[in-house]
Amino acid sequence: AQKVTQAQTEISVVEKEDVTLDCVYETRDTTYYLFWYKQPPSGELVFLIRRNSFDEQNEISGRYSWNFQKSTSSFNFTITASQVVDSAVYFCALSEAEGVTGGGNKLTFGTGTQLKVEL
Amino acid sequence: ETGVTQTPRHLVMGMTNKKSLKCEQHLGHNAMYWYKQSAKKPLELMFVYSLEERVENNSVPSRFSPECPNSSHLFLHLHTLQPEDSALYLCASSQGAGKYGYTFGSGTRLTVV
Repeated sequence: AQKVTQAQTEISVVEKEDVTLDCVYETRDTTYYLFWYKQPPSGELVFLIRRNSFDEQNEISGRYSWNFQKSTSSFNFTITASQVVDSAVYFCALSEAEGVTGGGNKLTFGTGTQLKVEL
Repeated sequence: ETGVTQTPRHLVMGMTNKKSLKCEQHLGHNAMYWYKQSAKKPLELMFVYSLEERVENNSVPSRFSPECPNSSHLFLHLHTLQPEDSALYLCASSQGAGKYGYTFGSGTRLTVV
């Protein structure tokens, strides 16, 4: 069974601080996909990144960076120089690589981390 | 324009009412999903449709009834709900398996009174 753990329920930082959101996952699949989503107060889940299990390269996109370590089953997310607009709930999620014909795979979510960035 | 549109955004219904949630995707995806998000709980997968056929029903009570008339539309019919069914209901779509990602709608905030 798949499982995603986000141990940090809530994090509060002051603007311009760096912050890392932790994600640990469990799966028996050898091929899988990991995701991070942002959920602002409006409710929509905004896609941030997808990483497949064969690609352990870290990625940087502007102020965002991701550290994927297969050896520790972790996929952590760092926001550099945080801003108030970064305040949201962030979800880490896991999907198996192969599903039924035509698609339709289950996306397993963590419980989310509420990030509050204050002035 | 997110590509996945959900209506209504907010819904208040009594326990004896019948209502429907609508989801429409404009992305050409072939799989659609309903997720439930309750306070302080992980997002729960409710239903999966692939090529317009239901491929997963995640032990959801029969008072929730999904319908997928075509690959672009997904409905969730609600009847005789309970107050504990109050939650944010999110629709998502994907092309094939998860490797191409999932696109979510903005959700319907449902309150059962």
